[in-house]
Amino acid sequence: AQKITQTQPGMFVQEKEAVTLDCTYDTSDPSYGLFWYKQPSSGEMIFLIYQGSYDQQNATEGRYSLNFQKARKSANLVISASQLGDSAMYFCAMRSSNFGNEKLTFGTGTRLTIIP
Amino acid sequence: ETGVTQTPRHLVMGMTNKKSLKCEQHLGHNAMYWYKQSAKKPLELMFVYNFKEQTENNSVPSRFSPECPNSSHLFLHLHTLQPEDSALYLCASSQDFAGGKTDTQYFGPGTRLTVL
Repeated sequence: AQKITQTQPGMFVQEKEAVTLDCTYDTSDPSYGLFWYKQPSSGEMIFLIYQGSYDQQNATEGRYSLNFQKARKSANLVISASQLGDSAMYFCAMRSSNFGNEKLTFGTGTRLTIIP
Repeated sequence: ETGVTQTPRHLVMGMTNKKSLKCEQHLGHNAMYWYKQSAKKPLELMFVYNFKEQTENNSVPSRFSPECPNSSHLFLHLHTLQPEDSALYLCASSQDFAGGKTDTQYFGPGTRLTVL
């Protein structure tokens, strides 16, 4: 069974500072994908970044980067130069590539608040 | 991505009512999903449709009935709901349902449902 663990229920960060949101996962499948989503108070889940289990380099998308440590089964999201608009819930998710186990499994999320 | 729309955005219904949620994706994707998001719980996958065929029913009560007339439209028909069914219902779509970055799911803004 797949499992995603996000141990930080809430974080407060000063504007313009970098922030790291933790995510650990558990799976026995050799091929899988890791995703991060942002959910503002409006409710929409916004896709941020993807990391494949066989990707050689850590994924980056603008101010977002994923610190992927396969041996430790961690996939932390790093947001550089945080902005007020980054305040939201952040969800880590994983999906196996194996047939019959393709469901996207979400963590419980981290609520990030950026302080002016 | 703003290619997934959901209507209505808010819905209040009594336990004896029948209503339907609508989802439409403009991304040319082949797979569509219904999720339920309750307070303080991880996202719960309800149904998956791949090329209009239902491939996943995650032990959802029969008072929720999905319909997928084509790859672009997905409905969730509701009848005789319970107050505990009050939640945010999110629709998502992805290009494929086979693993990898093409399986990135893009979400709509959700329908916030309140059952009285």
